[in-house]
Amino acid sequence: SQQGEEDPQALSIQEGENATMNCSYKTSINNLQWYRQNSGRGLVHLILIRSNEREKHSGRLRVTLDTSKKSSSLLITASRAADTASYFCATDAGSWGKLQFGAGTQVVVTP
Amino acid sequence: NAGVTQTPKFQVLKTGQSMTLQCAQDMNHNSMYWYRQDPGMGLRLIYYSASEGTTDKGEVPNGYNVSRLNKREFSLRLESAAPSQTSVYFCASSESDIAKNIQYFGAGTRLSVL
Repeated sequence: SQQGEEDPQALSIQEGENATMNCSYKTSINNLQWYRQNSGRGLVHLILIRSNEREKHSGRLRVTLDTSKKSSSLLITASRAADTASYFCATDAGSWGKLQFGAGTQVVVTP
Repeated sequence: NAGVTQTPKFQVLKTGQSMTLQCAQDMNHNSMYWYRQDPGMGLRLIYYSASEGTTDKGEVPNGYNVSRLNKREFSLRLESAAPSQTSVYFCASSESDIAKNIQYFGAGTRLSVL
């Protein structure tokens, strides 16, 4: 069973626009991570936010975490064509350290 | 820097055939994982190895076996492949840091079972 569920499933935007995607999860977590997957490639870690943090930034990425609502959001500002990828949230619920991944949001950024 | 290397990249099997997917990491990580990715399903954990010498079942272990050959290598074996095992398989590794379980992924093996 999937712990995290991303919304929307797909997102199409133009270069320069912001992209926002959300992740909801079901149980208490130690941390939540976001990964990117380019077509035909493996996943690449983007950012980790701990359960006691509310917001975190990394370059053009901004992640928020609301543990009371069991949800997180990933914002990509000033999108570029190179941001075209699928984005996955993954929760670490403390079961040794295993991650549970959502089904992902497919983002297409057109020039 | 290679990171996590998976072989082969592509494989086509007939139902009932067996094969082993190989994975090696050069980051001196203690923990290694095997996932499968199906359309619309995200990644599902098949087996993992918290450290050399230990392996445990994940969410979807049926039909698979694993071997943690040494600290670097973690292989996944399909003894009798079935069409339901058609998928993309990813190997990953991480440090044994429960507070920061960041995983590093290989490029994947695309398997078709006919």
